[in-house]
Amino acid sequence: QKEVEQDPGPLSVPEGAIVSLNCTYSNSAFQYFMWYRQYSRKGPELLMYTYSSGNKEDGRFTAQVDKSSKYISLFIRDSQPSDSATYLCAMCDQAGTALIFGKGTTLSVSS
Amino acid sequence: EPEVTQTPSHQVTQMGQEVILRCVPISNHLYFYWYRQILGQKVEFLVSFYNNEISEKSEIFDDQFSVERPDGSNFTLKIRSTKLEDSAMYFCASSEPGENSPLHFGNGTRLTVT
Repeated sequence: QKEVEQDPGPLSVPEGAIVSLNCTYSNSAFQYFMWYRQYSRKGPELLMYTYSSGNKEDGRFTAQVDKSSKYISLFIRDSQPSDSATYLCAMCDQAGTALIFGKGTTLSVSS
Repeated sequence: EPEVTQTPSHQVTQMGQEVILRCVPISNHLYFYWYRQILGQKVEFLVSFYNNEISEKSEIFDDQFSVERPDGSNFTLKIRSTKLEDSAMYFCASSEPGENSPLHFGNGTRLTVT
């Protein structure tokens, strides 16, 4: 069964904090993992894209995939008020196929 | 940076009416998608489209839904006879072909069925 679980939060942190966002999944066939950021009334904006297991870093953002545990994470370093948004994890088993989304975690970074 | 554009941003319609949601995908992308997000719920896959045909569809995408690429730039979602439960944000997305080609989403059309 294709299911992705994500704690909806809300998560509130002070500016400068390290944020950890997580998703678990049940389908071991998933190979492509994405993190999207969604501001209110806007579409999902791609942040990170990872194939299979491992880490990927882009600026203040680090994505980790642990396929053995069926667990993915997004870390945000030096969080900023502009990072306040809903963060969606998404994944699929083959490129170009339907993405399965988590429900999203709402993050609030206070200055 | 190229982006996916969707029109209208908000559509209000009466139950039973037909609506067409429009999208202009990123120009060099070849895969096109529609997703929807009911308020407070997950983003859900509806349909994918490649090479002028549907490549995958979910159980949500029943006979009242159809998609079309009427010309070289537009991609449309038609809902033939809208129901109250069709009220949602509808997102269009596109991607390049290939393994490392994530989806890029538009800002959505908010459909309200009254």
